Amino acid sequence: EAGVAQSPRYKIIEKRQSVAFWCNPISGHATLYWYQQILGQGPKLLIQFQNNGVVDDSQLPKDRFSAERLKGVDSTLKIQPAKLEDSAVYLCASSLVAGGLTFFGQGTRLTVV
Amino acid sequence: GESVGLHLPTLSVQEGDNSIINCAYSNSASDYFIWYKQESGKGPQFIIDIRSNMDKRQGQRVTVLLNKTVKHLSLQIAATQPGDSAVYFCAETRGNAGGTSYGKLTFGQGTILTVHP
Repeated sequence: EAGVAQSPRYKIIEKRQSVAFWCNPISGHATLYWYQQILGQGPKLLIQFQNNGVVDDSQLPKDRFSAERLKGVDSTLKIQPAKLEDSAVYLCASSLVAGGLTFFGQGTRLTVV
Repeated sequence: GESVGLHLPTLSVQEGDNSIINCAYSNSASDYFIWYKQESGKGPQFIIDIRSNMDKRQGQRVTVLLNKTVKHLSLQIAATQPGDSAVYFCAETRGNAGGTSYGKLTFGQGTILTVHP
């Protein structure tokens, strides 16, 4: 079966610019996650969706980060405006049910200069 | 705050040797501990998990040991191969009330495993 698809793979932007990442989870997976992985660290959960509803966004910096999953399938994560410390790999993941085995995409590597 | 961390950031072994990757955790309320493998340019991949009521679990070439007394878990890889070279993360989570699924994952820092032919 196809895995979690993410685009773009790489993005370089200047600070204070905006950027958006796209994710297409595995077909049929109701739960979708966005993680931030700073170089040398483990992934940190930013937001979890169950279908098109937000389950947990407690670690999402809501002053600059936003995410949506309008039809309960694809999702976008946006940063506006970006800061230097936002440089990281943004991983999308999905699971069939909440708390089930989680499959990760390849990630989008963001560099803010 | 609660955290999950690793003792050794890097580990180099020869092909065919056994590898042991260690992890310390601080949240005694965690129900599951999970090991992930992350190859360069890829997302983390599930390897094996263990419930808090177990002290050992075996998979294919991998064994996870859990010592709740000292809040320590380890991943043992038998007959390590060059394809095992990756960053290995441990993660901890609270399960749901029925113990059938994971809660939010908290990842540790990671250990870089390098296998030399």
